[in-house]
Amino acid sequence: AQSVTQLGSHVSVSEGALVLLRCNYSSSVPPYLFWYVQYPNQGLQLLLKYTTGATLVKGINGFEAEFKKSETSFHLTKPSAHMSDAAEYFCAAYGGATNKLIFGTGTLLAVQP
Amino acid sequence: EPEVTQTPSHQVTQMGQEVILRCVPISNHLYFYWYRQILGQKVEFLVSFYNNEISEKSEIFDDQFSVERPDGSNFTLKIRSTKLEDSAMYFCASVWGRDTDTQYFGPGTRLTVL
Repeated sequence: AQSVTQLGSHVSVSEGALVLLRCNYSSSVPPYLFWYVQYPNQGLQLLLKYTTGATLVKGINGFEAEFKKSETSFHLTKPSAHMSDAAEYFCAAYGGATNKLIFGTGTLLAVQP
Repeated sequence: EPEVTQTPSHQVTQMGQEVILRCVPISNHLYFYWYRQILGQKVEFLVSFYNNEISEKSEIFDDQFSVERPDGSNFTLKIRSTKLEDSAMYFCASVWGRDTDTQYFGPGTRLTVL
C-alpha cells in the first residue's frame, strides 16, 4: 500500500535560513507527489506538485522540491525562510484506484526572528 | 479564480445528532472527495465520488456516513448519528481530471461533537 513519511514533526529555522522539509514515499511505481501548506485555521493550499518530466519542481512562495526516484524522496526546500512561512506542511501522494490523496503526518515549521 | 466553498465553517452538535456538511466544488470538476483531519493528526481520506456514485471509501466511512450530490452544484457529507470521535475538520476537494490534475480543497468545516 502506498504510504508517505515525513521526518520531523516540528522544524524550527531562523529567518533567512534554509528550509528543508523531508518526505519519502513508498511505491514501486513513481507516484504523483504534492506539497500542501496549511496556515492556522485555514484549509490546504497547493504549494507544488510533481507528475512527470522535470524532477525539480518550483512552486509558490519560493519553494521547490526535487523528485529523486533512487531515494524515493520528494523533499521541500526554500533558500531563505520568511516569517510568513510559519505553517504546517503536508506531503501527499496519489494512491488507489481513484487517486485519493495519501498524506504524511505533517511538519510544523516555525520561523524564529 | 474558481474555488471550492464549504458551509458551515463551524458546526457544533450533540452526540447522536445528524449533521450535513455542504460543499460546492469548482463548477466543471468531475471528481469529488471528502477528507477529515482530527486535531493534531494527519489528513485522512474518507470517500471519493464520481458520476453520482461512490468510487472508493475508506474504512472510516462506515454506515453512519453518506454522500450525495443532490443537484448540479452541491456535494454533501451526512453523518447520521454523530459520535465524540467524529469531531474533526472536514475538507471537501474536487478535481477535473483524475490523473495528473490538482485536487483543490475547500477551507473546511470544523465539526465539534459534544
